[in-house]
Amino acid sequence: GAVVSQHPSWVICKSGTSVKIECRSLDFQATTMFWYRQFPKQSLMLMATSNEGSKATYEQGVEKDKFLINHASLTLSTLTVTSAHPEDSSFYICSARDLGGTQETQYFGPGTRLLVL
Amino acid sequence: GENVEQHPSTLSVQEGDSAVIKCTYSDSASNYFPWYKQELGKRPQLIIDIRSNVGEKKDQRIAVTLNKTAKHFSLHITETQPEDSAVYFCAAKRYGGATNKLIFGTGTLLAVQP
Repeated sequence: GAVVSQHPSWVICKSGTSVKIECRSLDFQATTMFWYRQFPKQSLMLMATSNEGSKATYEQGVEKDKFLINHASLTLSTLTVTSAHPEDSSFYICSARDLGGTQETQYFGPGTRLLVL
Repeated sequence: GENVEQHPSTLSVQEGDSAVIKCTYSDSASNYFPWYKQELGKRPQLIIDIRSNVGEKKDQRIAVTLNKTAKHFSLHITETQPEDSAVYFCAAKRYGGATNKLIFGTGTLLAVQP
């Protein structure tokens, strides 16, 4: 299947700093990418839908000024957690839709584990 | 809003037995239903999906059934093996619709005992 990469795989930072996470589709173009966060033993919660060349669509309860999304190209979306606090510690996973052929499948990145001290 | 319920939350079976996970969705316009397998600390991997024009789909030991009238779909794993142990998520969405987001179930932790 299609490959989605994420960088970094993990990050530890001090409270108040900003953290940028990159999501790349390696062998296909993705006009739409999705950002999720996942707490231990819980499901994936959609944070926002990232659209290439336009503003992201945020889910209810997700602060757009806190979680900045930039989808500058068809293969790259970035999520920046601004002024991170301990409660932002989580597993962040992106996914990208492969519109190739007749399928509309979402492929997930390996995730980024964020720990805010 | 859209909602997907998933049961059971945990499932323990003996190696070789079958496992069944069930999901119910609320949006009657949903027409695409994928299943993902997530091993500890890893990314969710698509294992099988089904569209609403099909009632059943099978891929080796894995099968998915869909009942559109009742708005529920199920994952069936036969001849389970220890490597099947993982968390399984169902999801639903409107394929090609304006609401292009997957709604995930709460997950099922499957433990296959050797």
